[in-house]
Amino acid sequence: DGGITQSPKYLFRKEGQNVTLSCEQNLNHDAMYWYRQDPGQGLRLIYYSQIVNDFQKGDIAEGYSVSREKKESFPLTVTSAQKNPTAFYLCASSIVNTEAFFGQGTRLTVV
Amino acid sequence: GQQVMQIPQYQHVQEGEDFTTYCNSSTTLSNIQWYKQRPGGHPVFLIQLVKSGEVKKQKRLTFQFGEAKKNSSLHITATQTTDVGTYFCAGGDTGGFKTIFGAGTRLFVKA
Repeated sequence: DGGITQSPKYLFRKEGQNVTLSCEQNLNHDAMYWYRQDPGQGLRLIYYSQIVNDFQKGDIAEGYSVSREKKESFPLTVTSAQKNPTAFYLCASSIVNTEAFFGQGTRLTVV
Repeated sequence: GQQVMQIPQYQHVQEGEDFTTYCNSSTTLSNIQWYKQRPGGHPVFLIQLVKSGEVKKQKRLTFQFGEAKKNSSLHITATQTTDVGTYFCAGGDTGGFKTIFGAGTRLFVKA
C-alpha cells in the first residue's frame, strides 16, 4: 500500500526543546517537501529536497533543519531557534513537476 | 522571489451558486496544480495544467491556465455542500523543482 506517512499526528514541545517530525514515503519519489500551515493560512515552504543527500531552503527555513540520508525519509527538526513553532506541518513527495502527495500532517503545539 | 497570489481569501455562497478562485504568478510557470483541503485534512491533488491556454474539466469543476502561463482559475458550477474546503493553486517554477503554493481560497457553502 503506497503512500506518505507522517508521525506523530500530534506533538507537544516545551520551550527551548528540539523536536523531530518524521516523514516516510514508499512511492519512490525523488522530491520531498516540508510545508508549514498556520490556522486559516496557506502553505509556506520550509525545505525541499530533490535527491538524496541534497536539500534547499524554502521561504521560512530559519529555526528548522532537515536531512535526506535515504530516498524514503525526510525528517524535519524544529529547533529551539524557531520562536513560534506552533503550527500544522505537512510533508509531501512528488516526481519532479508533477502532483504532490501529502501526508496526514503533524500538529505541533508549544506548551 | 517567485510569488503566487490567490484571490479571494474567502467566499461564502448559497448552495447552487457558482464559485471562482483566481491565481496569479509574478513569473512564468512551468505548470499549475490545484489542490483541495477539507477542514482538518491535508491537501489532495485535483489536477495539473501544463500548456498555455489549457482548459480542463472535472464534472462541475473547470480549470484554466492563462496564455502567458502566469495565471489560472478554478470555477465550480452549482456548488454543493461537499465542495466546502480550501482550494489551493500551486505553481511549478521554470528553473527547478520548487512548487509555490498560493494562500488558498476558503469556500463556505450554505445549504
